[in-house]
This record gives sequence, structure tokens and C-alpha cells, in this order.
Amino acid sequence: DQQVKQNSPSLSVQEGRISILNCDYTNSMFDYFLWYKKYPAEGPTFLISISSIKDKNEDGRFTVFLNKSAKHLSLHIVPSQPGDSAVYFCAASGAGNQFYFGTGTSLTVIP
Amino acid sequence: GAVVSQHPSWVICKSGTSVKIECRSLDFQATTMFWYRQFPKQSLMLMATSNEGSKATYEQGVEKDKFLINHASLTLSTLTVTSAHPEDSSFYICSARVTGLYEQYFGPGTRLTVT
Repeated sequence: DQQVKQNSPSLSVQEGRISILNCDYTNSMFDYFLWYKKYPAEGPTFLISISSIKDKNEDGRFTVFLNKSAKHLSLHIVPSQPGDSAVYFCAASGAGNQFYFGTGTSLTVIP
Repeated sequence: GAVVSQHPSWVICKSGTSVKIECRSLDFQATTMFWYRQFPKQSLMLMATSNEGSKATYEQGVEKDKFLINHASLTLSTLTVTSAHPEDSSFYICSARVTGLYEQYFGPGTRLTVT
């Protein structure tokens, strides 16, 4: 039962443009959401997070938006850079320690 | 800050042998560590939650007798794959949670190949 879903397995964007990665979840008890970036054969790197009490969190080029009513979050990267090319995972957490990860979206930024 | 290391980064073992993977939090104490497994082109699958000084909590479908987890100190957790089989070949990743924070910080992963 996939509680966190990333329906786009891949995304290609021109350098300088905006990248939008989407994530949907089913469990209304989730109250904390994170985005991780992962390169092949490496562990995920924490990117940005958002609490359910907010609807937006911004850190430099990265902004995460949360729409609780739609159970949807998105990561915006602007401007996109070739070094942003990686797999991006969203994750959600509730009352316990457990994180539920999406299946990832592979982002390719074309120079 | 919040650096997590894993050792080894890559290991090949023969079927039937055991392999131990270490996960260390280098600059913080972690009362809770997590072990994940990632199959090619798939998401991270949580295997177990490791709490310092107590038994690990395994996710449904994960054999606790096969994947032995020990969290002996606030900076070290180990995963031992016992009697390894080729189907255990995978990428194993640990993470550590800073006490009081939600974020988990991940190690670089260990590629296990069982021949």
C-alpha cells in the first residue's frame, strides 16, 4: 500500500527554467513532509521540509508547497541547474518515527 | 553537521556467509537509526527501526532472524545479513534521526552483492 506517490517517474527541464516535482499522499495523519535528493549509489540527501501547519517553505532555489486539502505537495526548483539532475524522493511522516517514501522522480536538467 | 557514515560501501560475499554493515553518526548522537533497502528503480523500503539499548522494530515481511540489528551505542548501529542469499543483493541505506527533530540524515549506502 503506497501511501506516498510520485506519479511522474521522470522529468526533463531546460537549464534556467522551473522544475516542478509533485507528490501525493493518502494518509491525513501525516504532519511532516520532506524532500530528498539522491544520486546513484549514494544515500539520499535532505533538501527541504515542511510542517503541516505551513503551506509553503522556501530555501534558496527550492520551495515546497503543501496543499493539505488535496493531500498534495510539490517541490519547485528555480532556476534549474544541471547539477540538480538527480532522483528526488518525497517522504511523509506522522506521529511515529517512520518515514514513508515515494517512488522517486528522476530529474534531468538539460544545459 | 549531521553526517552519517556507512561501512563498507561495497561488499561481495558468498552465498551462506554473513555480512555486517556499520552505520555511524559522526557528529551527533542518534537514539534512533533506521535501515532501508532499495531495489533498482524503486523506493526506499524501511526494514527496521533501531533504538539504542533496546530491540529493533522490524517492518512486516522483514525476517528479524536474517537481518540482525544491534544499536549498541548512541552513534553506532549494525545490520548483519545472516546466511546471505543472492536475493539479498541490494543497496542498504541507514539513516539517523537527530533527537527532537524530524529530519533523518542518511548514510551513503552499502552495495551488497551475494554470489
